[in-house]
This record gives sequence, structure tokens and C-alpha cells, in this order.
Amino acid sequence: SQQGEEDPQALSIQEGENATMNCSYKTSINNLQWYRQNSGRGLVHLILIRSNEREKHSGRLRVTLDTSKKSSSLLITASRAADTASYFCATPMYSGGGADGLTFGKGTHLIIQP
Amino acid sequence: NAGVTQTPKFQVLKTGQSMTLQCAQDMNHNSMYWYRQDPGMGLRLIYYSASEGTTDKGEVPNGYNVSRLNKREFSLRLESAAPSQTSVYFCASGRTSGDLFGPGTRLTVL
Repeated sequence: SQQGEEDPQALSIQEGENATMNCSYKTSINNLQWYRQNSGRGLVHLILIRSNEREKHSGRLRVTLDTSKKSSSLLITASRAADTASYFCATPMYSGGGADGLTFGKGTHLIIQP
Repeated sequence: NAGVTQTPKFQVLKTGQSMTLQCAQDMNHNSMYWYRQDPGMGLRLIYYSASEGTTDKGEVPNGYNVSRLNKREFSLRLESAAPSQTSVYFCASGRTSGDLFGPGTRLTVL
């Protein structure tokens, strides 16, 4: 069963605006990852945040993790047309260590309007 | 350094036919994975291999078998394909900083 659920399912914004998407999960985790998938392509790893971290940055990306609420958010600042994609959060499937695979939500489909 | 490669990119099968999807990674990772992605869905884990010589079932293993041939290669076999196995299949290999995914195999079973 899917552990993570992204919200919203779809998001359309103007180029240059910020995009925020959220992920909620059900059980305790030791890390959470965000991936991007362009249409018809494989997944690209964006960022991993560990359970002892509250916030992490990578370029225009900012990820937060609130383990008490079992939720995470991904913020993309100053959006560009190339950011149009589906974004997935993923958490460890079983033991929490990650070596036994990930469980994914259904994703947020982000469209950046020029 | 090619990362994770998958063959074939596309395949059409008839119900009952068999085929093997190939995956290879050149990053010396211990763990490798097979996922499937259905329209409008996230990825679901089929099988994984935490290290060379070991394989384990994931969330949706029925109808599939896997072989971890060596550290580089992890193959997925459909013995008797069914229309419900129409999907996009992704192989991945594991890093502690986040997994790397192959480009996918788009499989249609008629």
C-alpha cells in the first residue's frame, strides 16, 4: 500500500512564482525523498531529508520535514518552464533503512505556465 | 559512467508470452530494485535485491520472477504475460543519498 500521499494532485502556476507541494505519510520513517519525473521519463532524485533534519536546501528547492505531523513539503522557488513535471515523495518500504525499496505517493503534477 | 540502463525501451507481448527485462548499473551499488508504474499512479515495488545473491518480494510480486545475475545486473522475468502487466517498468539502484532510476521499459500486453 502507498505510504505517502502528495497534495495537491495538480498545480498550475505562472513562471517565476513559487510552487509548494506537500506529502503526508503514515508510519515512522528515518528519511524521506523527493523525486521528479518528466513526462515519459525515468525518475530523477531531487533531495533526501533524514528524520533528524527539519529543513534542507538544494538550489531552488527547499524541503521541510515535520515528523510529529508525519508530513513534508517541497518548495520550488522562481519556477521555470523546465520545472513542469510530476513530483513524488518516497519513504522506505519496510525497515526504514531504505535498502529494501521505497513506497511512493501518486504525485503532484506541476505545470508552469509561460 | 552510464548509471542505470534498461533494455528494451518498448515491448509488445501477446497474453501468455514470456520475456525478460534487463537492468544493469555501473556504480557498484549493492541494492537494486524493480518497480512498475501504472497511469496516474506512483511506483510500486515488485522485487528488490539488497545485495548480490539475495532477492526479496516487494509489494506486487505476483506474476514476476527476478535474478540478480551479479552485482551489476538484475533482471525481471514475466513467465506468462497478462494484460494486467501492461505498465512502465523501472529499475533502480540504491545509494544512501537517494536511488538512481533507469529510463524505463514501456510494456504492453495484448
